[in-house]
Amino acid sequence: RKEVEQDPGPFNVPEGATVAFNCTYSNSASQSFFWYRQDCRKEPKLLMSVYSSGNEDGRFTAQLNRASQYISLLIRDSKLSDSATYLCVVNPPRQLTFGKGTKLSVIP
Amino acid sequence: EAQVTQNPRYLITVTGKKLTVTCSQNMNHEYMSWYRQDPGLGLRQIYYSMNVEVTDKGDVPEGYKVSRKEKRNFPLILESPSPNQTSLYFCASSPLGHTEAFFGQGTRLTVV
Repeated sequence: RKEVEQDPGPFNVPEGATVAFNCTYSNSASQSFFWYRQDCRKEPKLLMSVYSSGNEDGRFTAQLNRASQYISLLIRDSKLSDSATYLCVVNPPRQLTFGKGTKLSVIP
Repeated sequence: EAQVTQNPRYLITVTGKKLTVTCSQNMNHEYMSWYRQDPGLGLRQIYYSMNVEVTDKGDVPEGYKVSRKEKRNFPLILESPSPNQTSLYFCASSPLGHTEAFFGQGTRLTVV
């Protein structure tokens, strides 16, 4: 089983839609969880950390389910500017591990 | 401004000619790492370092070397580059505890 797995997409959604991404991880000792955003050929940038209690930042909501070892990202009211690749990042002890990313295209 | 700086941004070289990609951070982070990104394969870790003089292999270390003589610098060395090392490379740093990783702007390397 791969350490971090994501659906690669692409997800093509109309503006205003709600879209959800899931990510599963294999190392139960993982301690921290993040979602990063990467625009084409640019460096990844932190979108949000993911906490056990779930957390929200504007239109973005992240959830963590430790028992099932998955994390999720929900984007409400999608904007054209949300088009990017979303990377799930897990921190087992000692090193960050990245999923391959899910590509999102928001269509006018 | 807090940043991770990689140089060069673009490099075309020939097989077998040694090269170094530099990475420097100004945030006093303990943890630094190198990744390569290839289509369909995502970000794969090459090497990482927990602190000065402490380095360890990531998932794809073959053909690469690193050093961590100073906290701020973490150069990536390709002793004898080959075409399969053509890729987009990112350097990243974070404090221990991984509250957030900061990435350099990337180095696009082509080996012909």
